[in-house]
Amino acid sequence: EAQVTQNPRYLITVTGKKLTVTCSQNMNHEYMSWYRQDPGLGLRQIYYSMNVEVTDKGDVPEGYKVSRKEKRNFPLILESPSPNQTSLYFCASSRDRHNQPQHFGDGTRLSIL
Amino acid sequence: ELKVEQNPLFLSMQEGKNYTIYCNYSTTSDRLYWYRQDPGKSLESLFVLLSNGAVKQEGRLMASLDTKARLSTLHITAAVHDLSATYFCAVPSGNYGGSQGNLIFGKGTKLSVKP
Repeated sequence: EAQVTQNPRYLITVTGKKLTVTCSQNMNHEYMSWYRQDPGLGLRQIYYSMNVEVTDKGDVPEGYKVSRKEKRNFPLILESPSPNQTSLYFCASSRDRHNQPQHFGDGTRLSIL
Repeated sequence: ELKVEQNPLFLSMQEGKNYTIYCNYSTTSDRLYWYRQDPGKSLESLFVLLSNGAVKQEGRLMASLDTKARLSTLHITAAVHDLSATYFCAVPSGNYGGSQGNLIFGKGTKLSVKP
């Protein structure tokens, strides 16, 4: 089954404790992306990757890092999480960056205390 | 900087009625996407509009794109309760062939269809 898998689905942690949210897709998609969703603000793109070893900032990259060492994986790293990063995070992938719709993962709800 | 605005942000409809959701964007783009999100769920692709004048229909939903007016519409015909969800439009910030891969979402339209 074609899917985008995020882990964990829920996480409560404390300020400053490094964490990684994993994202994996099994569709051989070139384009992958991370978003955060906040009430009243909609979805905002954090980082995206157009292929292996090619990543770029979205609209709200501060406080986040990503890597794309393999085509299928695109982890999101919070080196020193802060409470303002409490949010619902979605990973998405598509065959290319513009012509195809994105397939979204189920989301990761992060709470930073 | 590309801005994407949807209106209305909240829409309460009665079953059987028609309505239109609007998505305006501020800079040139030749493509636009519509997504649906059910409460507590992920986003699901509805339509991909790839050129000026594109029209796509699926069941009671029809989406269109006017790139000259920088406007897309999502028309709902004879609404039913199952259409209750939040609908997002999204626009890529660079023209196709450009290097940018940003995708900018509108804030979403929360649709509630009541019997």
